[in-house]
Amino acid sequence: RKEVEQDPGPFNVPEGATVAFNCTYSNSASQSFFWYRQDCRKEPKLLMSVYSSGNEDGRFTAQLNRASQYISLLIRDSKLSDSATYLCVVYRGSYIPTFGRGTSLIVHP
Amino acid sequence: DAGVIQSPRHEVTEMGQEVTLRCKPISGHDYLFWYRQTMMRGLELLIYFNNNVPIDDSGMPEDRFSAKMPNASFSTLKIQPSEPRDSAVYFCASSFSVNEQFFGPGTRLTVL
Repeated sequence: RKEVEQDPGPFNVPEGATVAFNCTYSNSASQSFFWYRQDCRKEPKLLMSVYSSGNEDGRFTAQLNRASQYISLLIRDSKLSDSATYLCVVYRGSYIPTFGRGTSLIVHP
Repeated sequence: DAGVIQSPRHEVTEMGQEVTLRCKPISGHDYLFWYRQTMMRGLELLIYFNNNVPIDDSGMPEDRFSAKMPNASFSTLKIQPSEPRDSAVYFCASSFSVNEQFFGPGTRLTVL
């Protein structure tokens, strides 16, 4: 099993739709989790951290399920500008980040 | 702050040549990371530094790759000799402790 796994997609959704991505991790000792967004031919940028109790930032909600070892990202009311690749990051050990391969989202009119 | 600066932005070289990628992290950040991104393998961590000291280089593919951080404001990733399979986008990122990583724009390397 890979250390961090994501469904590559693409997820093709209409504007206004709600879409959710999951990211599974294999190391139960992982402690820190983040979601990054990467636009085509650009660098990754932090979207949001993932807290144990779950957290929300506008239309975006991130959650952590330690028992099942996955994190999720929910996007409500999708916008055309949300089209991008979403990367999850899991930190293992003292400070070693492992990125997932990313999930591609395409929002169409 | 100008953010993480990488140079060159594009590099095209021939197999066997030495390639040096450069990175200037954000001032005050104590961690620096080098990543490689390809379609096949995604974003892979090559090596990271804490306070200029290499901490984990287990992601470095082989001895042809080396990285240095002579001071807090500069790091290099060197490939010698380069091979076509090294073609990728190489990102440098910096952060303050276990927080948001700020990525540079990347160096797109093509080895012919």
